Amino acid sequence: NAGVTQTPKFQVLKTGQSMTLQCAQDMNHEYMSWYRQDPGMGLRLIHYSVGAGITDQGEVPNGYNVSRSTTEDFPLRLLSAAPSQTSVYFCASSSGTLEAFFGQGTRLTVV
Amino acid sequence: DQQVKQNSPSLSVQEGRISILNCDYTNSMFDYFLWYKKYPAEGPTFLISISSIKDKNEDGRFTVFLNKSAKHLSLHIVPSQPGDSAVYFCAAGGDDKIIFGKGTRLHILP
Repeated sequence: NAGVTQTPKFQVLKTGQSMTLQCAQDMNHEYMSWYRQDPGMGLRLIHYSVGAGITDQGEVPNGYNVSRSTTEDFPLRLLSAAPSQTSVYFCASSSGTLEAFFGQGTRLTVV
Repeated sequence: DQQVKQNSPSLSVQEGRISILNCDYTNSMFDYFLWYKKYPAEGPTFLISISSIKDKNEDGRFTVFLNKSAKHLSLHIVPSQPGDSAVYFCAAGGDDKIIFGKGTRLHILP
């Protein structure tokens, strides 16, 4: 049982480049979300989804887009990367009010 | 505007003693509260949760206490073990999303 799988694990981007962070879960969870972790800032919610076709903004959505075309996948897109987006990104999935399961994270550096 | 606050960035506790991690929240609409543990280079892992209708939940060495009137919850770990050294995140859930605090780094001293 893979749980929540994030790819890639590491990525270096140049300012202005675009990329997509992939997230897939095999637990048939309705809820999926993206967080970023920065030193001294904890985990901040970027975007979340309560089911296929439904997404909403979290605490820090600017500079990121998401879509949810299937239950399993919830990609996070950076349209024009900025150094302020250097962070560790975590994807999570959950079934309603139960605990969320997290992926291993993607460490992104924007130079 | 922080909805979930962990005011202690770090805490050191002697092995075998009790570790108490604290968390405050501002939104009275949260339905449930969770604690997560995180080791370096890994994703957070779920530890224990409590519904807003309860005031205590226990799971082995871990107990979470909820004081709704004070909008405060705490995690007690007893006895503390070396493997408990990690960053602990308090989180609150409701309205389809989970909001996390900044975390507290727990050091268990030999």
